[in-house]
Amino acid sequence: DTAVSQTPKYLVTQMGNDKSIKCEQNLGHDTMYWYKQDSKKFLKIMFSYNNKELIINETVPNRFSPKSPDKAHLNLHINSLELGDSAVYFCASSPHRELYGYTFGSGTRLTVV
Amino acid sequence: AQSVTQPDIHITVSEGASLELRCNYSYGATPYLFWYVQSPGQGLQLLLKYFSGDTLVQGIKGFEAEFKRSQSSFNLRKPSVHWSDAAEYFCAVHSGNTPLVFGKGTRLSVIA
Repeated sequence: DTAVSQTPKYLVTQMGNDKSIKCEQNLGHDTMYWYKQDSKKFLKIMFSYNNKELIINETVPNRFSPKSPDKAHLNLHINSLELGDSAVYFCASSPHRELYGYTFGSGTRLTVV
Repeated sequence: AQSVTQPDIHITVSEGASLELRCNYSYGATPYLFWYVQSPGQGLQLLLKYFSGDTLVQGIKGFEAEFKRSQSSFNLRKPSVHWSDAAEYFCAVHSGNTPLVFGKGTRLSVIA
């Protein structure tokens, strides 16, 4: 009955590989997000989708491509991984009226070697 | 653009002592303000939020926060800290169609 679930929890991969992180929410929320948390714990928005439509795309390399097959899922695909992509990636969701805060997944720790 | 400042990177308190974590925001109108907690290896959990009305808001785990418009602050408080409160605390602000913007966090250590 996890509200926002991400898989995998840990991901170790070599430079140059392509990988995906999956996110699913069962809260019926309209909006989903990807945040990146760097080694200093700073959280930065990457993407936001509302009802499968991209509404926010921050300054993120185009090697990162989000995909939302339906409003309950928001996946993150990363091409040609680089060392600097190592971080914890958090998925989150919120109702359309963003007055209620976001519900976060438990994060995916990506390590590029 | 809106921003959040958490002046304290790391705070250490004794178990049973009171706690106040500082947060200042920058935004023209009244923002929506949040405090989240992140335990080691975990995701972020919402502690409390402020939209309007009573400026003192109560949250989970015995936390409260007070919105002070004149100081652009939203400080988090707890009267008596427990060892399990050791974690990273994030203040966040959001308004309109913009996503949540987080402060850089304050790490809380609790000593016996």
